Amino acid sequence: QSALTQPPSASGSPGQSVTISCTGTSSDVGGYNYVSWYQQHPGKAPKLMIYEVSRRPSGVPDRFSGSKSGNTAYLTVSRLQAEDEADYYCNSYAGSNNLMFGGGTKLTVL
Amino acid sequence: QLQLQESGPGLVKPSETLSLTCTVSGGSVSSRSYYWGWIRQPPGKGLEWIGSIYYSGTTHYNPSLKSRVTMSVDTSKNQFSLKLSSVTAADTAVYYCARHHSIGPDQYFDYWGQGTLVTVSS
Repeated sequence: QSALTQPPSASGSPGQSVTISCTGTSSDVGGYNYVSWYQQHPGKAPKLMIYEVSRRPSGVPDRFSGSKSGNTAYLTVSRLQAEDEADYYCNSYAGSNNLMFGGGTKLTVL
Repeated sequence: QLQLQESGPGLVKPSETLSLTCTVSGGSVSSRSYYWGWIRQPPGKGLEWIGSIYYSGTTHYNPSLKSRVTMSVDTSKNQFSLKLSSVTAADTAVYYCARHHSIGPDQYFDYWGQGTLVTVSS
């Protein structure tokens, strides 16, 4: 099985917005509203930022938002801050009790 | 506050079996609301879901690893475990355990252990 496709890198200046894409197929991203996003700082465990496409766990700033169109999911980080610099991974249910992660996107705050 | 902690050998020889345990505190692996999962990350690379287990012993494995993976749960010790057989250098990774929302309309990991590096080398 192939990983979901994410751009290797993304960047933005403080205060700006940046959107990271996660492209799959109709068998995973496009077929279910079970997309989640994780933030990972170097040497740390991943942290859940978004689940069920657009829902935010308690404690996650509202600067983080998620959406989906067709076979592609999106994570948007608004009002960028220095601490948002991290790797971001998407994850999707792929049917038959299977899960897939994206390859990850390194977000740089310029 | 729920906490998860991985434990096990940091070095495994090629062709042998990797064995890890995740100890849960501040919550119960016997909860009917969650599965418990394993995810790994090779150095410098992305995340890969290995599989998840329910308190009853029901398991779901990544198809690409299914032939080599065995998971178990010990409710008396509040632990769950991973065994990966016939390891090669490609199995060198940081291994994370996590709580897996997989009941009803849920599919996500909300609490993670700190991770443990397992190196496969002779």
